[in-house]
Amino acid sequence: NAGVTQTPKFRVLKTGQSMTLLCAQDMNHEYMYWYRQDPGMGLRLIHYSVGEGTTAKGEVPDGYNVSRLKKQNFLLGLESAAPSQTSVYFCASSEVGAKNIQYFGAGTRLSVL
Amino acid sequence: QKEVEQDPGPLSVPEGAIVSLNCTYSNSAFQYFMWYRQYSRKGPELLMYTYSSGNKEDGRFTAQVDKSSKYISLFIRDSQPSDSATYLCAMSARSTLTFGKGTMLLVSP
Repeated sequence: NAGVTQTPKFRVLKTGQSMTLLCAQDMNHEYMYWYRQDPGMGLRLIHYSVGEGTTAKGEVPDGYNVSRLKKQNFLLGLESAAPSQTSVYFCASSEVGAKNIQYFGAGTRLSVL
Repeated sequence: QKEVEQDPGPLSVPEGAIVSLNCTYSNSAFQYFMWYRQYSRKGPELLMYTYSSGNKEDGRFTAQVDKSSKYISLFIRDSQPSDSATYLCAMSARSTLTFGKGTMLLVSP
């Protein structure tokens, strides 16, 4: 089992460019999440999904869009990248239920110049 | 007031020491309490979780929850250099987790 796989692992963008980060999970989890992690700020939830075809905003959704067309995939898009979006992005997934134990991918390091 | 407060450290201890990591929270709706470990340049991985108040032990690790005080702890016995990492507490309410900012632990040989 691969668990949660994120691609790419690293990316450098210029301001204004667009890109999509891909998250894939093979655990048949209903819930999926996108976080960003910055020094001194901890993990902050960007968007999440509680099932195929559904998405919801988290704590810091501005400048990002997401799609969950298939249960196993959750895409995070940056339409017009800004230097403030330089960060490490983590995807996670979990089963349905109050426990909500989340399993994380290895992360994508994004630099926006 | 943040929902979850966690001292960022760093906390430096010698090998073999007992380590105590703590979080406080304000939301009474939290039901499950978790500790994640994150090594440098890696994703967080679940260490332990507990439900409601009480203790849970797993090898050298003990998780403790006191819901009346809204305080949770992680104790590490006989700490090892391989325990050097950032430890994040997390709390569950409905479909999302609320994370503390993490405490960096450094265990020196």
